[in-house]
Amino acid sequence: DIQMTQSPSSLSASVGDRVTITCRASQSISRYLNWYQQKPGKAPKLLIYSASSLQSGVPSRFSGSGSGTDFTLTISSLQPEDFATYYCQQTYSAPPITFGQGTRLEIK
Amino acid sequence: QVQLVQSGAEVKKPGASVKVSCEASGFTFTTYAMHWVRQAPGQGLEWMGWINAGNGNTKYSQKFQGRVTVTRDTSANTAYMELSSLTSEDTAVFYCARQFYYGSGGYWYFDLWGRGTLVTVSS
Repeated sequence: DIQMTQSPSSLSASVGDRVTITCRASQSISRYLNWYQQKPGKAPKLLIYSASSLQSGVPSRFSGSGSGTDFTLTISSLQPEDFATYYCQQTYSAPPITFGQGTRLEIK
Repeated sequence: QVQLVQSGAEVKKPGASVKVSCEASGFTFTTYAMHWVRQAPGQGLEWMGWINAGNGNTKYSQKFQGRVTVTRDTSANTAYMELSSLTSEDTAVFYCARQFYYGSGGYWYFDLWGRGTLVTVSS
């Protein structure tokens, strides 16, 4: 199984900050990497697919990059509504589909 | 309206089974694969299995193999996930999600999710 490791596990930041979350795969997954945002009590929401493609309707302050084993999700200027938990997901080798353990983004 | 509507919360005793439904509307159900994802309280997302709603083919996570069964009823546009031999560790929210393929490289993602069904396992 491909293991996905996110860092950091939690992060405190302020409105307006630039934030980067990293996701590392245990083997190369090309660009088969998606990012989701989840708010408490809600289902996850797709932000980025294929490592760097922005899902329709998602603000342009979100961006993704990477290929192979190392990926990043960047929020260029944090907004109050961005405080949530973020997950990466690999779809290169399935089953199983695997997620990172999540990164909780909190208000400083 | 394009949506997935899941069944309501359940309380089960250890050793019992639970069957959660996920009704699709607003799109052609049989042209998609439907997945199930578990999320224990305060924990991350864990993929359980999927079904091709068109032909009924299924694949499961090894972790749940033998305990989980995913089925679908095309006449009702509904997918089901049944989990047996429940323990307290199965207390979780269970989500269904639609798989969306794009491009020619086999890329896909979950573009539509249900709201989740809370299953509580308690004696």
